[in-house]
Amino acid sequence: NAGVTQTPKFRVLKTGQSMTLLCAQDMNHEYMYWYRQDPGMGLRLIHYSVGEGTTAKGEVPDGYNVSRLKKQNFLLGLESAAPSQTSVYFCASSTPPGTGGVGGYFGAGTRLSVL
Amino acid sequence: DQQVKQNSPSLSVQEGRISILNCDYTNSMFDYFLWYKKYPAEGPTFLISISSIKDKNEDGRFTVFLNKSAKHLSLHIVPSQPGDSAVYFCAAFPQGGSEKLVFGKGTKLTVNP
Repeated sequence: NAGVTQTPKFRVLKTGQSMTLLCAQDMNHEYMYWYRQDPGMGLRLIHYSVGEGTTAKGEVPDGYNVSRLKKQNFLLGLESAAPSQTSVYFCASSTPPGTGGVGGYFGAGTRLSVL
Repeated sequence: DQQVKQNSPSLSVQEGRISILNCDYTNSMFDYFLWYKKYPAEGPTFLISISSIKDKNEDGRFTVFLNKSAKHLSLHIVPSQPGDSAVYFCAAFPQGGSEKLVFGKGTKLTVNP
């Protein structure tokens, strides 16, 4: 099935540990995004990329880094995890708005707990 | 400073009736408005969108209305079905910053059989 795949689906970290969340899409989309969803907060944009080799900060970028070395992959890194980063993380991809793909596609999410 | 607001955290309707989900926004520079549906343990799914130059867009049972003067949009689902039970997010693209999709906090819709 074509779409957006997130790895892993669940993870538990201890404070100070590091990890990388992987997002892969097979739709040849230019745009990719990382969001976090917290109770009562909706989805907030962490970082995004408008093409291979480019990244930019979103609304809540602190404590996260990203890389887009290949068009189909967008990695989200936590260098030193904190309990405040306990959340559900969603990756999304889309074509540029105005080209027909304004809605985009989301992955199923990664549930991260930081103890 | 919340630019997209969904003031009703939940809504309950009977099967076959109309569901109306509301969204208010503060930024008059938004270019596109979107609605997403989200089931538990799944990612959001794009449902329907509307350009800021239109006031209505319809897709099957789903219709989105945009009132620019009131900075208000609504999603109508007619007739509502139990499978429509989900969290619905309103979102918007600002002009010139179209990568930065801004989401509301969501409204949980429950359709009772």
